[in-house]
Amino acid sequence: DAGVTQSPTHLIKTRGQQVTLRCSPKSGHDTVSWYQQALGQGPQFIFQYYEEEERQRGNFPDRFSGHQFPNYSSELNVNALLLGDSALYLCASSSSGGMNTEAFFGQGTRLTVV
Amino acid sequence: GENVEQHPSTLSVQEGDSAVIKCTYSDSASNYFPWYKQELGKGPQLIIDIRSNVGEKKDQRIAVTLNKTAKHFSLHITETQPEDSAVYFCAASIGDSGYSTLTFGKGTMLLVSP
Repeated sequence: DAGVTQSPTHLIKTRGQQVTLRCSPKSGHDTVSWYQQALGQGPQFIFQYYEEEERQRGNFPDRFSGHQFPNYSSELNVNALLLGDSALYLCASSSSGGMNTEAFFGQGTRLTVV
Repeated sequence: GENVEQHPSTLSVQEGDSAVIKCTYSDSASNYFPWYKQELGKGPQLIIDIRSNVGEKKDQRIAVTLNKTAKHFSLHITETQPEDSAVYFCAASIGDSGYSTLTFGKGTMLLVSP
């Protein structure tokens, strides 16, 4: 089991550009959540996808959008990049079965906006 | 929304000593409390979790306690080893049929000296 995999591992973009990050969930998991982790901070919830729909959303602007595919993999898109978007973006997968099932994280994508 | 406070922000111990990290949460509806360990350049790794119907849980050298009345929970690591050095995050979640999302503390950097 490869666990949660994210790509790319590192990315450098220019302010104003758009970026797409990708995530493949752990085998058997159908729910994908995205988190932003600024340097020295805890991860902050961006949104969660289940059955190809955004199910919950944190306090992030509409510049942040996502998608989930039929195979449960997911993408995070960020438009009009700002310097403040520089962070580690984490994908977590979980199973929808039962209450509060464990969330497993990928290694993250380090995004640097210059 | 939920707010999680974590203390201390840094903790230095000698190998073999015990380490305790404490967290408080604000929303009494939270019912799931995982702890994650994050090593440099990696994503958070789930090390132990506790649900609100349990007061304490142990896994070898690691234990977690929960006081629902006071709304705080703690991570206890005994017989610390240098490989325990990492950043530890507590989190809280209000879960219902897989809809749970995590609110994280700001993290504790644990340094175990040989």
